[in-house]
Amino acid sequence: EAGVVQSPRYKIIEKKQPVAFWCNPISGHNTLYWYLQNLGQGPELLIRYENEEAVDDSQLPKDRFSAERLKGVDSTLKIQPAELGDSAVYLCASSFSGANYNEQFFGPGTRLTVL
Amino acid sequence: DQQVKQNSPSLSVQEGRISILNCDYTNSMFDYFLWYKKYPAEGPTFLISISSIKDKNEDGRFTVFLNKSAKHLSLHIVPSQPGDSAVYFCAASASNTGNQFYFGTGTSLTVIP
Repeated sequence: EAGVVQSPRYKIIEKKQPVAFWCNPISGHNTLYWYLQNLGQGPELLIRYENEEAVDDSQLPKDRFSAERLKGVDSTLKIQPAELGDSAVYLCASSFSGANYNEQFFGPGTRLTVL
Repeated sequence: DQQVKQNSPSLSVQEGRISILNCDYTNSMFDYFLWYKKYPAEGPTFLISISSIKDKNEDGRFTVFLNKSAKHLSLHIVPSQPGDSAVYFCAASASNTGNQFYFGTGTSLTVIP
């Protein structure tokens, strides 16, 4: 079974440029998460989707970050414009919301460097 | 406000000995706890979990203990192997928050051959 796929794996951009990350969750997983992981920290939730609906985006900096999950499958996270402080690893995870407690499966992440 | 804390950034253990990784939490509503393992340049992978109705869960060499009164959980790895060298994240969730996980800052385990 294929895991969570993310691309690109690495991205280097100059500040004020836009950037987009793509995630394809595990087939059949209706819940998708985007996390931000800074160096030496644990993942922090940015946004959670149930199918195509964003059910929790309270931690997403909406002035520059946006996300979409059209058709309830793959998802895109965008930053425009990027700032130096956005340098981090962006993780995508998915789970199946068919039980009370749902293990989240993570992709390898996209490491963003903003110069 | 860090609701899940891992106060030891790193731990070194000899191969064959026991590794004990600790995690503390502040939110009494948390009722499900997980440990994830992360290798460099990879995403975290699920290791073991425990529900608040239990105080111990065992899976092979890995055992998680939960002390609800102390709001503390620990992961025991015995015997430790060099392949266990990784960063371990503790995570917690509350059933009324839609499966949102709160992660600790991680503990880097090094198992010395």
